[in-house]
Amino acid sequence: KAGVTQTPRYLIKTRGQQVTLSCSPISGHRSVSWYQQTPGQGLQFLFEYFSETQRNKGNFPGRFSGRQFSNSRSEMNVSTLELGDSALYLCASSLDPYGNTIYFGEGSWLTVV
Amino acid sequence: KQEVTQIPAALSVPEGENLVLNCSFTDSAIYNLQWFRQDPGKGLTSLLLIQSSQREQTSGRLNASLDKSSGRSTLYIAASQPGDSATYLCAVPLGPMDTGRRALTFGSGTRLQVQP
Repeated sequence: KAGVTQTPRYLIKTRGQQVTLSCSPISGHRSVSWYQQTPGQGLQFLFEYFSETQRNKGNFPGRFSGRQFSNSRSEMNVSTLELGDSALYLCASSLDPYGNTIYFGEGSWLTVV
Repeated sequence: KQEVTQIPAALSVPEGENLVLNCSFTDSAIYNLQWFRQDPGKGLTSLLLIQSSQREQTSGRLNASLDKSSGRSTLYIAASQPGDSATYLCAVPLGPMDTGRRALTFGSGTRLQVQP
């Protein structure tokens, strides 16, 4: 059974650019959430989607957005990149949002220069 | 606002030692708690999920306990091995189940080094 797949794994962007990250959840999982991990702030929640609906959003500026498609795949977008957006972006999936085990992908390493 | 704290931040032990990692949370109205392992540069691997109605969960050499009333959880690792070296994180949902806030808030982790 394939795990959570995130693409791309590594990318370098310039300040002011935008970036789109993709996440394919485990087959059958309909809940997808996104987290940002930095050395200074640790793991912080970005968004949670279930059946194409955003259920929760973390405390991040409007430059951070996301969506979920009918096949449960999800994308997140960061516009007008800042140096502080450099981080490991992790996607996680679970069967549903109701307290089941959550499975993480390997993450997408974003460096903003 | 739920806050999660993990102590110690780092731990170095010789191989074979039994050890305990601690996790505390401020809002006891959680409906589960999950322990994760993260290897350097990698994603998180779920180790154990404890539902609020449970007191503990075991998987191999790992045992996690949950005391909601005191806002604490411990992860016990028996007979530690060098392959256990990693960062261990605990996480609880952001809010009670009926609020729909089911995303996770994480502790800052305990970085474990097991010396051969």
